[in-house]
Amino acid sequence: DTGVSQNPRHKITKRGQNVTFRCDPISEHNRLYWYRQTLGQGPEFLTYFQNEAQLEKSRLLSDRFSAERPKGSFSTLEIQRTEQGDSAMYLCASSKQGSSTDTQYFGPGTRLTVL
Amino acid sequence: AQTVTQSQPEMSVQEAETVTLSCTYDTSENNYYLFWYKQPPSRQMILVIRQEAYKQQNATENRFSVNFQKAAKSFSLKISDSQLGDTAMYFCAFARTGRSGGSNYKLTFGKGTLLTVNP
Repeated sequence: DTGVSQNPRHKITKRGQNVTFRCDPISEHNRLYWYRQTLGQGPEFLTYFQNEAQLEKSRLLSDRFSAERPKGSFSTLEIQRTEQGDSAMYLCASSKQGSSTDTQYFGPGTRLTVL
Repeated sequence: AQTVTQSQPEMSVQEAETVTLSCTYDTSENNYYLFWYKQPPSRQMILVIRQEAYKQQNATENRFSVNFQKAAKSFSLKISDSQLGDTAMYFCAFARTGRSGGSNYKLTFGKGTLLTVNP
């Protein structure tokens, strides 16, 4: 169990550019979640996958955001035409459906700064 | 929709003493889970303790325990014998019960309480 990993850890971009983040969940976990955390706030839910299916998307996820989990393993979160308001920490978590502990394990996050 | 409120933005405690962090929530659900997560400075979030709403007994994990008052929709965290390593942001979170009966559903977080343990 190597934990949830996220890459890159930090990303600085200029407004208008596209960025993509990657999340690798714990290997046997079939559920994967994306959250966004802004300074001084708790994480806010963005979307989650069960295997490769995206089951729910928050209204926070505008049309500029897209998430994929093509083979039910790693996931990517892409933000197109970034805006300064997109600056935040993007957290990924994973869990195993039906497990006795039923806990979401978080990755270290990707901190995005949009200049 | 569920909401989670943490009314204490910051707290401090002396090493070895006991501190209680407050959390209230609002939901129309009857079955759900409550969590306390810890986020140390520049480190990832880890689960401290969880409570199933259908269980009357308060959860405990070593020095960490909760006071779950379902009718009052209150879920406080007590840290006993505070250690310097307990310094972190603490988040209270709610998850409704999923279709499979587990807590595998999106978390709704409070704004957090920054706890500082002083030597």
